[in-house]
Amino acid sequence: SQQGEEDPQALSIQEGENATMNCSYKTSINNLQWYRQNSGRGLVHLILIRSNEREKHSGRLRVTLDTSKKSSSLLITASRAADTASYFCATDRNRDDKIIFGKGTRLHILP
Amino acid sequence: DTAVSQTPKYLVTQMGNDKSIKCEQNLGHDTMYWYKQDSKKFLKIMFSYNNKELIINETVPNRFSPKSPDKAHLNLHINSLELGDSAVYFCASSQRGDTQYFGPGTRLTVL
Repeated sequence: SQQGEEDPQALSIQEGENATMNCSYKTSINNLQWYRQNSGRGLVHLILIRSNEREKHSGRLRVTLDTSKKSSSLLITASRAADTASYFCATDRNRDDKIIFGKGTRLHILP
Repeated sequence: DTAVSQTPKYLVTQMGNDKSIKCEQNLGHDTMYWYKQDSKKFLKIMFSYNNKELIINETVPNRFSPKSPDKAHLNLHINSLELGDSAVYFCASSQRGDTQYFGPGTRLTVL
């Protein structure tokens, strides 16, 4: 069954604006990861946040994790055209180490 | 010096044929994975190997058989290909529970 669910499914914003994507999951996890996939390409790892962490930054990316709500958010600040891609969250379930991906959020940055 | 490589990149074949996809990683990781991404971009784990041993085997048809000759290789053999097998197949590797590094994908089209 689906573990991670991203929200929204699709998002279009103007270049320069901030983009926020959310991920909810069902069972307890070891960590949660965010990946980006450009059209026709493989997935690229963005950030890994462990279950005992609440927030992590990497450049223009900010990830939060709320284990009590079983949710995470990915914020991309000052978006650029190159940020246009699909973004996936992936959870590492601690009962079996299985990595489960959500269906992704398609982000489109408008010029 | 590609980290995770897959061959072939594209594979077009007739129904009923048998085909193989190869994956190699040079990152020294102990865990490798096969994922299937369907036309709706949903990424689903198929298999996971840790030190050449199968640790995750999702509900996939018996026609799919992974083979890991050594820690750096995980090949996927598919027998009696069906139309529904058309998808993009991604190989990935990681140190168990950590960031996954994905290959570029193999786009399989079954006619």
